Amino acid sequence: GDSVTQMEGPVTLSEEAFLTINCTYTATGYPSLFWYVQYPGEGLQLLLKATKADDKGSNKGFEATYRKETTSFHLEKGSVQVSDSAVYFCALFDNYGQNFVFGPGTRLSVLP
Amino acid sequence: ETGVTQTPRHLVMGMTNKKSLKCEQHLGHNAMYWYKQSAKKPLELMFVYSLEERVENNSVPSRFSPECPNSSHLFLHLHTLQPEDSALYLCASSQERGNANEKLFFGSGTQLSVL
Repeated sequence: GDSVTQMEGPVTLSEEAFLTINCTYTATGYPSLFWYVQYPGEGLQLLLKATKADDKGSNKGFEATYRKETTSFHLEKGSVQVSDSAVYFCALFDNYGQNFVFGPGTRLSVLP
Repeated sequence: ETGVTQTPRHLVMGMTNKKSLKCEQHLGHNAMYWYKQSAKKPLELMFVYSLEERVENNSVPSRFSPECPNSSHLFLHLHTLQPEDSALYLCASSQERGNANEKLFFGSGTQLSVL
């Protein structure tokens, strides 16, 4: 079945550092891809998405580009803030099973 | 505030107890979900309800029993759980099920500890 793999955390960065969280997927066809974020004590919320190859999703300074050739959807931000500390989940929409498939999440800690 | 409320926030139970988790949404959504979040594992889809009818049960042990009495409420009844069932249980909803353009709205979860 479809699956999502993310880099293991935790990732610890200083404020204003550059962030990359790697995400690769295995799927039949070309699924829509998503990043969800979970702030401490809260549920997941959608951060950004891309629905087809070469699309770039962006929100709150975060970006991710749908790379069909490498089956990847890496999350990037040029300058992280302490308030970005959270767990980030990469996900895809399984068109066959008609459900969202999530990765294990990557915890990010940003230090002042 | 996502519009999805879960209670209780924390629950500690023994292996012989019976307890229930509650989820409530007033977003007018037709699909509701239970997910299990364990450390370093992918978020695990447990149950899906669409228009109050269960449409998916991903091989979840029978000690977990869902109930959806109406489109706004979802319960997860727990009995004779095992310590490995300790996890964060998340409820989510969406306008409809099976649509890649849909956004999932999650509650804050119930942190369950089984002793």
